[in-house]
Amino acid sequence: DAGVIQSPRHEVTEMGQEVTLRCKPISGHNSLFWYRQTMMRGLELLIYFNNNVPIDDSGMPEDRFSAKMPNASFSTLKIQPSEPRDSAVYFCASSLTNMGTSGRVEQFFGPGTRLTVL
Amino acid sequence: AQSVTQPDIHITVSEGASLELRCNYSYGATPYLFWYVQSPGQGLQLLLKYFSGDTLVQGIKGFEAEFKRSQSSFNLRKPSVHWSDAAEYFCAVFSGGYNKLIFGAGTRLAVHP
Repeated sequence: DAGVIQSPRHEVTEMGQEVTLRCKPISGHNSLFWYRQTMMRGLELLIYFNNNVPIDDSGMPEDRFSAKMPNASFSTLKIQPSEPRDSAVYFCASSLTNMGTSGRVEQFFGPGTRLTVL
Repeated sequence: AQSVTQPDIHITVSEGASLELRCNYSYGATPYLFWYVQSPGQGLQLLLKYFSGDTLVQGIKGFEAEFKRSQSSFNLRKPSVHWSDAAEYFCAVFSGGYNKLIFGAGTRLAVHP
C-alpha cells in the first residue's frame, strides 16, 4: 500500500495568496484527519471527516481555513488568504473506523506539507 | 478536559543505554493510549497502543510501554537505545467524547554515540 499521500511536500507562498493542500488517504479507510504542527502549539487536530462528511471542525482556526472531501480518496485543505502565522507542517491522517472500534484504531499519517508564508 | 502531559521536552542518552519517556494523561474513563514516533521530516508512525488487558504492551523497534492506572501514566521504555532512535516521540490519548486523539507536546530524543 502506498500509504497516505500528501502534496505538495513543501509550499512557499506570499501573504495573501491562496494555498491548497491535498491528501489521498489509504484506500478503504473511511476517516480522514487534518492536523497542524507548530513549535508553539504542537500537534492540533483541525478537522475530522468520517465517510466524507465533516464531523468535527472545531479545530479550524478561522474562516480563512476550509476543508473538503469530495470523495473517499481525496481531500483538500485550503487557506485563503494565507498569513505568516499559518506557517506550519500540515499532516493528513486516515484510519478505518466503525461503530464497534471507534478510537481503538491506528491513524496512519502522511509525510506532511511544510508551508511557509512570507 | 482530556489532556496528555509529556514532562520532558528534550532527553539525551548514550547509545546502548536504557530509555524511559514519561507520559501522563487526564481522562475520566478507561483510556485508549498510543505512542507515535516522528523522525525528522517524516510523518508520525505508531509504535504501540493500549486498549485493555495486559498493562505491558510491546511495540515495534523494541519499544514497550506500561499502563499504570493508579498513576495515570503510560511510560515508554527501551532497554538499549540505538542511534536510529533519535526522533520525537508523542504520547496520545483517544478522547471518546470528542472522538479524536489528544497529543502531548512531544519529547525530542537525542542519542550520543
